[in-house]
Amino acid sequence: GENVEQHPSTLSVQEGDSAVIKCTYSDSASNYFPWYKQELGKRPQLIIDIRSNVGEKKDQRIAVTLNKTAKHFSLHITETQPEDSAVYFCAASRNSGYALNFGKGTSLLVTP
Amino acid sequence: GAGVSQSPSNKVTEKGKDVELRCDPISGHTALYWYRQRLGQGLEFLIYFQGNSAPDKSGLPSDRFSAERTGESVSTLTIQRTQQEDSAVYLCASSPSAYSYNEQFFGPGTRLTVL
Repeated sequence: GENVEQHPSTLSVQEGDSAVIKCTYSDSASNYFPWYKQELGKRPQLIIDIRSNVGEKKDQRIAVTLNKTAKHFSLHITETQPEDSAVYFCAASRNSGYALNFGKGTSLLVTP
Repeated sequence: GAGVSQSPSNKVTEKGKDVELRCDPISGHTALYWYRQRLGQGLEFLIYFQGNSAPDKSGLPSDRFSAERTGESVSTLTIQRTQQEDSAVYLCASSPSAYSYNEQFFGPGTRLTVL
């Protein structure tokens, strides 16, 4: 089955700096890669996703890059703000009826 | 509109007891997923339902775990003879379909504590 590795497990940055979280996956058939943000005590919420026919996707301060050859994808947050502090999960799945396989999460702390 | 709801929000039970957790997906969503999240860990897939197809039970950790879904609505996750290692937050998610690239919308979870 799919195995998703996520690094780092914790990340602390100063407000305004950039944060990068990296994930690798094992199943070459995976073609959908979402990122979820989970604030303390809250449910996970999708922040951005990328499909295998795209190498990069941006949404304001958030971007995701995908390298299918190397089987890794990354989340980039620029101009971080304290409200970006949360646990971020990457995930991977095939299409057509497969559940998401999640990484173990990265706890991001943005200090003012 | 209403999001995914789960009940109860918290459940404390004694080791060996059975528990039943409920999930109400977003109306019209044909796909429903159950995940388990242990403290400080990622989300572990348990089972998912897609319409009237046979559910994918490949993530269930033991035969003490089972789940049912009535049509395309409510689902219940049952854990029999609970053990302390079952303590976790159980999250339910739904999406319009499992057969396309669809966002999964999560419920608030049920926090299960087995004493």
